Amino acid sequence: EVQLVESGGGLVKPGGSLRLSCAASGFSFGNYSINWVRQSPGKGLEWVSSIDSGSRYIYYADSVKGRFIISRDNARNSVSLQLNRLRVEDTAIYYCVGCITGEGGYFDPWGQGTLVTVSS
Amino acid sequence: SYVLNQPPSLSVAPGQTATITCGGNDIGSKLVHWSQQRPGQAPILVVYDDFDRPSGIPERFSGANSGNAATLTISRVEAGDEADYYCQVWDLETAHVVFGGGTKLTVL
Repeated sequence: EVQLVESGGGLVKPGGSLRLSCAASGFSFGNYSINWVRQSPGKGLEWVSSIDSGSRYIYYADSVKGRFIISRDNARNSVSLQLNRLRVEDTAIYYCVGCITGEGGYFDPWGQGTLVTVSS
Repeated sequence: SYVLNQPPSLSVAPGQTATITCGGNDIGSKLVHWSQQRPGQAPILVVYDDFDRPSGIPERFSGANSGNAATLTISRVEAGDEADYYCQVWDLETAHVVFGGGTKLTVL
């Protein structure tokens, strides 16, 4: 079964840090770029970051650049997103998403998401 | 930055056709993908590369893209199609993925 499973979400104070993980199974992980997409409560989808299969091309949304760091370990079929200097507006469900075709490609599969709440 | 415009909501009776638009400057030159998000669930891909369907997605779902607008058409709408629909493109100029604001489809 093709699966992406996120973990690491939780409650954190403004200015704090959190590390999200995404574990992949059931597909050729090393051939996929991986993206993080977030969704604030009651809002739409917002792309956060992407990393290509070889970790050569890494991109960030302007809203998180300089604060979030994406990385991957192909030997462990996993991707991480380090969230630093968190703000209240970073509160969202964070989805891990695969993309077989790289830049411009479609997002499939999606994980079920992990909730990050930033609050004092 | 590149902007995709979608109507916030659309209501359609069962059995009718729903057409969701996604407007963007010269969007016809980009590949457009569509995702469906049912309440309380993660999104799933329903149309990719303008008009292709992933396996398991009914033929009732179709896409088109030309000029300044892309469309997702759902024929013979069913109650189970009630969801939020998002268009998505890659903006080469900024190297960013861009989502439309989403359209909430209500089946009357």
